[in-house]
Amino acid sequence: GESVGLHLPTLSVQEGDNSIINCAYSNSASDYFIWYKQESGKGPQFIIDIRSNMDKRQGQRVTVLLNKTVKHLSLQIAATQPGDSAVYFCAENSGGSYIPTFGRGTSLIVHP
Amino acid sequence: DGGITQSPKYLFRKEGQNVTLSCEQNLNHDAMYWYRQDPGQGLRLIYYSQIVNDFQKGDIAEGYSVSREKKESFPLTVTSAQKNPTAFYLCASSKGTGGTGELFFGEGSRLTVL
Repeated sequence: GESVGLHLPTLSVQEGDNSIINCAYSNSASDYFIWYKQESGKGPQFIIDIRSNMDKRQGQRVTVLLNKTVKHLSLQIAATQPGDSAVYFCAENSGGSYIPTFGRGTSLIVHP
Repeated sequence: DGGITQSPKYLFRKEGQNVTLSCEQNLNHDAMYWYRQDPGQGLRLIYYSQIVNDFQKGDIAEGYSVSREKKESFPLTVTSAQKNPTAFYLCASSKGTGGTGELFFGEGSRLTVL
């Protein structure tokens, strides 16, 4: 069936490094993607989104890249800080659906 | 401040007991959702509701029940029929149809069955 998945369950980086979290999706009809950050014991929070008519979108220290050819989504975090340590989920919507499909999540660990 | 409030944050239950988790939102959102999260896992949809007095089963609805009597409230009952209820439960809301698809989450309720 259609699914959204992540390549790496855990990513460890040093403070100050750039982090890249990847997400593969299989539903070619997906037209809206969101990255969420979930800190330990809390609910996920919106980080950044991108529509399928875009390849790249930048926020504050974060950039989302979308490659529709290979159905790949990535989240780049610049100058990673200890406060960035969390689980990151990608989610996709298709056809105006308000029911997103979530990926498994990647745990980002930032070492001071 | 606008947001979603879940209660209780922690809950312990004996086997065979039903428990109800509360979820209230003041964002004036039409759609509300319940997800289950197990350790090292993603979010699995239990139930969702787009409008008052209407709700649909998600991927893992067995052993759960919900109601949507008010727009602001979407309580989840974990029944004794749920075989493995120990988990972290997340409630969310969104604008629903016509919205962007962004979900706003509560802080979660951790249920432990003793």
